[in-house]
Amino acid sequence: EVQLLESGGGLVQPGGSLRLSCVASGFTFKTYAMNWVRQAPGKGLEWVSALSSSGANTYYAASVKGRFTISRDNSKNTVYLQLNFVRGEDTAKYYCAKGSRYQMLLDHWGPGIPVTVSS
Amino acid sequence: EIVLTQSPGTLSLSPGERVTLSCRASQSFSSDYLAWYQQKPGQAPRLLIYGASTRAIGIPDRFSGSGSGTDFSLSISRLESEDFALYYCQYYGSSSGVFGQGTKVEIK
Repeated sequence: EVQLLESGGGLVQPGGSLRLSCVASGFTFKTYAMNWVRQAPGKGLEWVSALSSSGANTYYAASVKGRFTISRDNSKNTVYLQLNFVRGEDTAKYYCAKGSRYQMLLDHWGPGIPVTVSS
Repeated sequence: EIVLTQSPGTLSLSPGERVTLSCRASQSFSSDYLAWYQQKPGQAPRLLIYGASTRAIGIPDRFSGSGSGTDFSLSISRLESEDFALYYCQYYGSSSGVFGQGTKVEIK
């Protein structure tokens, strides 16, 4: 059974940094792209970032490009999202999601982790 | 960048009714790259349909997808109580995974 579990969320001040982690199990992690998707309170889904299976290719939404960094450690079955220079509009629940036959086709999702940006 | 517009924003329906949700794209793309997700309150989204019309594993056949070019739709043949939820379309081609803004299907 595929399982994804996010951690590292919480309260962060504007301009601050936070690193989210997502540990995966139940599939061959190193062969699939991984993604982060977020959802602000009461709002819709926003795709944030994707990382190819090897880690060689990264993709970002315009709203986070230059501030967020996605990475992975295939030896630990873990994908990360480094959030830098955070803003109030980054407040959201962040979901880790597994790519499938296409990198950004998301066939399994974690339960999500909340991030709140506030002073 | 492709923008997906879903309509209507909210649908109020009764169990047993048929519903069709719309997803319109700002530019044409292959139907290979269109997916639908369902999200219930407090839960993560779940993949329903990919390639515009292929049901994901475990999805009941009352769910069907269709469309091409810029116009795509998701239909539910007979609404069951567990189908009242939010539905999102997604384009997953190229270097982006953009979502539509969602359609809420609520109980009338």
